[in-house]
Amino acid sequence: KNEVEQSPQNLTAQEGEFITINCSYSVGISALHWLQQHPGGGIVSLFMLSSGKKKHGRLIATINIQEKHSSLHITASHPRDSAVYICAAPSRGGGGADGLTFGKGTHLIIQP
Amino acid sequence: GAGVSQSPRYKVAKRGQDVALRCDPISGHVSLFWYQQALGQGPEFLTYFQNEAQLDKSGLPSDRFFAERPEGSVSTLKIQRTQQEDSAVYLCASSRSGLPNQPQHFGDGTRLSIL
Repeated sequence: KNEVEQSPQNLTAQEGEFITINCSYSVGISALHWLQQHPGGGIVSLFMLSSGKKKHGRLIATINIQEKHSSLHITASHPRDSAVYICAAPSRGGGGADGLTFGKGTHLIIQP
Repeated sequence: GAGVSQSPRYKVAKRGQDVALRCDPISGHVSLFWYQQALGQGPEFLTYFQNEAQLDKSGLPSDRFFAERPEGSVSTLKIQRTQQEDSAVYLCASSRSGLPNQPQHFGDGTRLSIL
């Protein structure tokens, strides 16, 4: 089973700062997921990426399949970005048609 | 609505009671997943279905946990003789097909508290 590690577990930053959250996994995969969870439980899928880089607004996700590592970046951070960010990888590697293994999440607080 | 719907949103039960949690996936989605999220932790896989077939239930923590999806759409997760360690948020997710590399769409979860 894939093991997924995230760092940092907690991150507090000032509005406007550039944020980086890291994720590593143990079993080779073809796609990794980045998710956002707000207080109250709802999870939103931010990215699913297989290689290189994806960008959506101020969010950028990168992945290095060979090194089994991915990063999520937030540019010009804003208090509304405060949430838990979770990376998830297919539990048995590959494409994950049969379920995901999640990191413990990074609790991000952006102070005004 | 167009998203994954879970009910109830909150459930409080006494230890020893049975509970049933419902998930309505996005219409037409083939795959359905159940996850358990303890406080301060990431979600943990419980079980998954393709249509009505339960293909993996390896994550169910004990035989008190039972999931079904009899018509390949709505799914129910049942917990019998609940215990305090069952307290968690139970998340349901669906994806369009049973193929790899599909995004999963999550519901808001059911927060279960066992007293």
